[in-house]
Amino acid sequence: KNEVEQSPQNLTAQEGEFITINCSYSVGISALHWLQQHPGGGIVSLFMLSSGKKKHGRLIATINIQEKHSSLHITASHPRDSAVYICAVRSRYFGNEKLTFGTGTRLTIIP
Amino acid sequence: DAGVIQSPRHEVTEMGQEVTLRCKPISGHNSLFWYRQTMMRGLELLIYFNNNVPIDDSGMPEDRFSAKMPNASFSTLKIQPSEPRDSAVYFCASRWDDNTEAFFGQGTRLTVV
Repeated sequence: KNEVEQSPQNLTAQEGEFITINCSYSVGISALHWLQQHPGGGIVSLFMLSSGKKKHGRLIATINIQEKHSSLHITASHPRDSAVYICAVRSRYFGNEKLTFGTGTRLTIIP
Repeated sequence: DAGVIQSPRHEVTEMGQEVTLRCKPISGHNSLFWYRQTMMRGLELLIYFNNNVPIDDSGMPEDRFSAKMPNASFSTLKIQPSEPRDSAVYFCASRWDDNTEAFFGQGTRLTVV
């Protein structure tokens, strides 16, 4: 079992739909990141969370530490949201930082 | 600031050759990370530096890989000798501190033939 699991692996939706991408992890963490990777390959950090909820524009990220689960929501989805969304968890061991990545969710928004 | 700058954007080299990837972090950022992305393994952390000092290189695949950060504005990742299985996209990222998000460079697509 991977330490970080994302679902779904692929998601296709119509423009305007509400999107939810899930991330479950099995280790203790100090923070969780949501990253966006566009078809051109560039990676952008969307959120860093250690508790609760954060919102940037149409994007909302939530985390439940007790359940070891995070969700990324996109409201009023748009074709430009088409990208791979990657969940990553940060944990600490002996003072070092370990970052473990999920395999990503490929989102396609159809006009 | 122009963001994290990586060079080259693309590199094609023959097996056995030395490859050097370069990264200029955002000015003022104290931590720098090197990642590798492949279809098979996804994104992996190779090494990270804090205040120019390597903190954890446990992700470096083997002795053929080495990374340096001679000053706060420059880092290199070197592969010598390169092998076809090193073909991947290598990303560099930097951040201000533990409580801030990281900014990624555009990546270097390495192909070893």
